Amino acid sequence: GDSVTQMEGPVTLSEEAFLTINCTYTATGYPSLFWYVQYPGEGLQLLLKATKADDKGSNKGFEATYRKETTSFHLEKGSVQVSDSAVYFCALYSNYQLIWGAGTKLIIKP
Amino acid sequence: SAVISQKPSRDICQRGTSLTIQCQVDSQVTMMFWYRQQPGQSLTLIATANQGSEATYESGFVIDKFPISRPNLTFSTLTVSNMSPEDSSIYLCSVEDTQGNTEAFFGQGTRLTVV
Repeated sequence: GDSVTQMEGPVTLSEEAFLTINCTYTATGYPSLFWYVQYPGEGLQLLLKATKADDKGSNKGFEATYRKETTSFHLEKGSVQVSDSAVYFCALYSNYQLIWGAGTKLIIKP
Repeated sequence: SAVISQKPSRDICQRGTSLTIQCQVDSQVTMMFWYRQQPGQSLTLIATANQGSEATYESGFVIDKFPISRPNLTFSTLTVSNMSPEDSSIYLCSVEDTQGNTEAFFGQGTRLTVV
């Protein structure tokens, strides 16, 4: 079945460091891909998405590109802030439901 | 977009009791989803609730343990029955973008602790 694999956390970085959180997927067809973020004590919210190959989703300085050839959707940010500390989930939409990665906890130290 | 109000936001319950979680959406939606997020883990879909029909449960979840109501297009409840400490988790209500963008919107979650 369809699945999402993302890098294990926690990922700990210093403020202003470059961030990459890897996400790869297995799916039939060309699903829409998403990154969701969960800040401490809050529900999930959509961070960015891409609906077809080579699309780049971006929001709040984060970017991810839908790579069909490598079945990947890695999340990147050039300079992280303490306020980016959260859990990040990669997901794909398949058969009328979202398939979730395990989540990656990101800790940014000042 | 959709705004989802979920309550209670947290509760501490005695084992053997039941808790009903409410989910209210500010617009009419066809499907509502209930997830469980165990500590430090990803989301697991419990069931999909459609108005006017029985909920569809995922493997490993049964109606007797997690009865769901969906009386109208803006409201749903999930009951966690006969609770045990293993049911301690965050429970999330979710809906999808009604315009077909497949974006999901979530309530803030209910953090349940069973003692």
